[in-house]
Amino acid sequence: GIQVEQSPPDLILQEGANSTLRCNFSDSVNNLQWFHQNPWGQLINLFYIPSGTKQNGRLSATTVATERYSLLYISSSQTTDSGVYFCAVEWDMRFGAGTRLTVKP
Amino acid sequence: SAVISQKPSRDICQRGTSLTIQCQVDSQVTMMFWYRQQPGQSLTLIATANQGSEATYESGFVIDKFPISRPNLTFSTLTVSNMSPEDSSIYLCSAGGTGNYGYTFGSGTRLTVV
Repeated sequence: GIQVEQSPPDLILQEGANSTLRCNFSDSVNNLQWFHQNPWGQLINLFYIPSGTKQNGRLSATTVATERYSLLYISSSQTTDSGVYFCAVEWDMRFGAGTRLTVKP
Repeated sequence: SAVISQKPSRDICQRGTSLTIQCQVDSQVTMMFWYRQQPGQSLTLIATANQGSEATYESGFVIDKFPISRPNLTFSTLTVSNMSPEDSSIYLCSAGGTGNYGYTFGSGTRLTVV
């Protein structure tokens, strides 16, 4: 099956800093999503982005399908951005291991 | 995008008993998915539930342990049977996948088996 790798596994930032999270996948995909799991366990759908670039406020994402990776950018990070960020691919949503982000005040 | 109501949100159960988790979607969806998330881990797909057919289980998950029902296009249940402490996890359902919204998730069921 398709392999999904996320990096870095852990990231600690000071409030206000910018960050880039990466998702590599082993085969071409028709579906890719980024999720944020908050400290209470709720999974929030950030982007549906099988290709191209999208932006939503301080967050943006780019997927380069031909090179099999996607990037999630977080600018001017806030403590509420803390949690785990997952990418998931394909119609049955195969998840990467996640990036645990901690934003310190 | 679809909105999913999942319940119960949490439960503490005795070993050997069973728990049924329900997910209600606010729109008709073809596919629903059930996941398990063990503490500190990523999400693992348990099974895909399509209306009108048997659920398709991933390797390591069997119907006798995790029976699934999908009686219509807006509802599904997952039962965790004959529970042991190793079944303590968060269980989540997902649906959607149409248009440009992707999939959404229920709020999860935090299960503790004692």
